[in-house]
Amino acid sequence: QQPVQSPQAVILREGEDAVINCSSSKALYSVHWYRQKHGEAPIFLMILLKGGEQKGHDKISASFNEKKQQSSLYLTASQLSYSGTYFCGTESGSARQLTFGSGTQLTVLP
Amino acid sequence: KAGVTQTPRYLIKTRGQQVTLSCSPISGHRSVSWYQQTPGQGLQFLFEYFSETQRNKGNFPGRFSGRQFSNSRSEMNVSTLELGDSALYLCASSLGQGASEKLFFGSGTQLSVL
Repeated sequence: QQPVQSPQAVILREGEDAVINCSSSKALYSVHWYRQKHGEAPIFLMILLKGGEQKGHDKISASFNEKKQQSSLYLTASQLSYSGTYFCGTESGSARQLTFGSGTQLTVLP
Repeated sequence: KAGVTQTPRYLIKTRGQQVTLSCSPISGHRSVSWYQQTPGQGLQFLFEYFSETQRNKGNFPGRFSGRQFSNSRSEMNVSTLELGDSALYLCASSLGQGASEKLFFGSGTQLSVL
């Protein structure tokens, strides 16, 4: 079953913060985050593993709440380059396949 | 290292035809996954191959099939095309040696079915 992402779209000004949520009805082993710019391939951001720590990369970080089967992606002091569609992908059970959410379109305005 | 290469970049077909898409993974990567991307649906998993064996399969009809060669290159075939098959088809490669590996995506093949 596809994880649910929220919000579907968000518009913010450069320098503002944003949070993107991803939730699943299944017990998760891991959560992946990718960003895709229009006309380009999705690019890996980070993986959060069950029992692992919160990840961070520059001003983008994420958390994984195993009990609630939820993950959140935090974008701090957004830059124009952060614009794109963000996808969370989840792994659950014994299957290694990633099931992606429908995406969150993030637009950062100057 | 060269990235994941998908060919062709664009494809136009008519209903009832069949199509074959190609994916060359990053050198050394043994796992190739295929995804269908349509507006509003995100990335729908088609199948994954590792060392020439299909390891996982998504919920798509049998018209969608794939294979992987000994050099890890992969092809995806769609027979008896339908209008609803119009989409961006992405392939992704990974080392495939463990769980929860990051995927490296190609730029995709944009398929239009008329």
